[in-house]
Amino acid sequence: EAQVTQNPRYLITVTGKKLTVTCSQNMNHEYMSWYRQDPGLGLRQIYYSMNVEVTDKGDVPEGYKVSRKEKRNFPLILESPSPNQTSLYFCATSSTYGEQFFGPGTRLTVL
Amino acid sequence: DQQVKQNSPSLSVQEGRISILNCDYTNSMFDYFLWYKKYPAEGPTFLISISSIKDKNEDGRFTVFLNKSAKHLSLHIVPSQPGDSAVYFCAARRSGGSNYKLTFGKGTLLTVNP
Repeated sequence: EAQVTQNPRYLITVTGKKLTVTCSQNMNHEYMSWYRQDPGLGLRQIYYSMNVEVTDKGDVPEGYKVSRKEKRNFPLILESPSPNQTSLYFCATSSTYGEQFFGPGTRLTVL
Repeated sequence: DQQVKQNSPSLSVQEGRISILNCDYTNSMFDYFLWYKKYPAEGPTFLISISSIKDKNEDGRFTVFLNKSAKHLSLHIVPSQPGDSAVYFCAARRSGGSNYKLTFGKGTLLTVNP
């Protein structure tokens, strides 16, 4: 079954404590991306990756890092989380131009 | 500067009737449009798409219409069912480049009443 998985699904943390949200896909897709969803703002792209070792910034990259060491994994790293990063995060994958498949989401609260 | 706009935050319809969700865009470079449906506690699920070279695409109960001159698209659901109750996002993409980024609207909450 084609899947995009994210872990954890829910996380409450404190300001400044480094965290990583993992994303994994089993569809052999080259393209992976992270979005955040905030009330009244829709989904906004944070980072994307076209392939292994190829990453670039999206619209709201400040405060985030990513890595793409393997094709199937694309972790999102918050080195020093702040309360304004409290949000709902989605990982998405795509083979080429076409629909993107989204993970189930990670709800992050930074106190 | 919002490039994809869904001006109706919510819509309520009766079961069996037609639901029409609207979306406007400002960027004339967009050439591919998608609709996603999202249930609470789940990720967005792809519903239907349309290329800018077409003006209509149909898939079962779902039809998307594109009016390029007006930079407007709409999603029609006929007949509407209670299970269609969800948030619907309109998204757009431009071809070319290395980023398949989707630009999303803010979403419309559809409620289908039995």
